[in-house]
Amino acid sequence: GQNIDQPTEMTATEGAIVQINCTYQTSGFNGLFWYQQHAGEAPTFLSYNVLDGLEEKGRFSSFLSRSKGYSYLLLKELQMKDSASYLCAVRDPAHSNYQLIWGAGTKLIIKP
Amino acid sequence: GAVVSQHPSRVICKSGTSVKIECRSLDFQATTMFWYRQFPKQSLMLMATSNEGSKATYEQGVEKDKFLINHASLTLSTLTVTSAHPEDSSFYICSARFSGRWRERSYEQYFGPGTRLTVT
Repeated sequence: GQNIDQPTEMTATEGAIVQINCTYQTSGFNGLFWYQQHAGEAPTFLSYNVLDGLEEKGRFSSFLSRSKGYSYLLLKELQMKDSASYLCAVRDPAHSNYQLIWGAGTKLIIKP
Repeated sequence: GAVVSQHPSRVICKSGTSVKIECRSLDFQATTMFWYRQFPKQSLMLMATSNEGSKATYEQGVEKDKFLINHASLTLSTLTVTSAHPEDSSFYICSARFSGRWRERSYEQYFGPGTRLTVT
């Protein structure tokens, strides 16, 4: 079956670094996405990994290991505005129309 | 670029009435649009996939006669919640995917700002 797991909630301190993990089990794989969603708002795109390795984009980095079915989102120099839910999603070619399979999201709480 | 709009952003309606939500891709053509529903503190739940010029594909458990989807053009899809009930109160979000291969990231979904529906 299709399954994407990520922690429900994490807490970190302003200025610190936090890593949000995501593991997936899908029948196929054609890319993994990370989205950020603030409360009451729609998700916004953060990153996309289709090959193994680390993709860095400013304070955010995303890592993928296809053999392990594993990804993480790394947030550096945390700011209060980073408090949000972070959604991991996988594109499975078995699904038509580039439909994504979504994780339940990780709520990140940043404390001063 | 890659802006998706939704209208209205908030709507309150009485039980038994119908509500139409519009999703527009403003600066690109979207062959495919997705409609999601999200209840408080829960993740996105895909309701249906809408392809321009054809019938929408609904996920299991989603009533196609209750949630009418029309994708009449490459830039507009509409979701109509018919005979709304309080349990239909939720956050409805659409997303659109680039059509064609001219965009490097045609696989990427761009989300609208969402519509908060409250049925009284």
